[in-house]
Amino acid sequence: NAGVTQTPKFQVLKTGQSMTLQCAQDMNHNSMYWYRQDPGMGLRLIYYSASEGTTDKGEVPNGYNVSRLNKREFSLRLESAAPSQTSVYFCASTRGPSGYEQYFGPGTRLTVT
Amino acid sequence: QKEVEQDPGPLSVPEGAIVSLNCTYSNSAFQYFMWYRQYSRKGPELLMYTYSSGNKEDGRFTAQVDKSSKYISLFIRDSQPSDSATYLCAMSALSGGYNKLIFGAGTRLAVHP
Repeated sequence: NAGVTQTPKFQVLKTGQSMTLQCAQDMNHNSMYWYRQDPGMGLRLIYYSASEGTTDKGEVPNGYNVSRLNKREFSLRLESAAPSQTSVYFCASTRGPSGYEQYFGPGTRLTVT
Repeated sequence: QKEVEQDPGPLSVPEGAIVSLNCTYSNSAFQYFMWYRQYSRKGPELLMYTYSSGNKEDGRFTAQVDKSSKYISLFIRDSQPSDSATYLCAMSALSGGYNKLIFGAGTRLAVHP
């Protein structure tokens, strides 16, 4: 059981470049989330998917798009990266949208220069 | 004002000490109160949760919730070097069938031998 996996682990982008962060879970969870973690800010929700086929904006969605490809996979896309998007990105999942226990992946460290 | 406030530390204690970590919050609708532990360069993992008010004990860890004061605490007894990590409080309230987690900024704890 791998739990929640994320790729890549590290990435450096130039301003204006695009990239997709991948996330997959093998726990048969219905709900998946994308967070960013910045020093002194805690974890902030970017987008979430309560179930396959649905996505909704979180607290800080600007500059990001998401795709819930199937029940297992939830990707996060940066269309035109900006230095303000330098952060550590975490994907998480829960059994259902009312679940309080979120299982997190190992994170992707993104630097935008 | 942030919905959840948490002192970022860092907190440095000797092995065997009792550690007290705290968060305050402003939203009286919060019902679930959680503590996540995050080791360096890893994703957060759920340590303990409490529903509504009261205490919960799990081994060396005790979580307390005081809803009247909007204050939650995590106590670690007989702290060990392996407890060195960042501790994130998180809170949530069910809204429209969805449990949105709000995280504190995290307190970094170092336990030295």
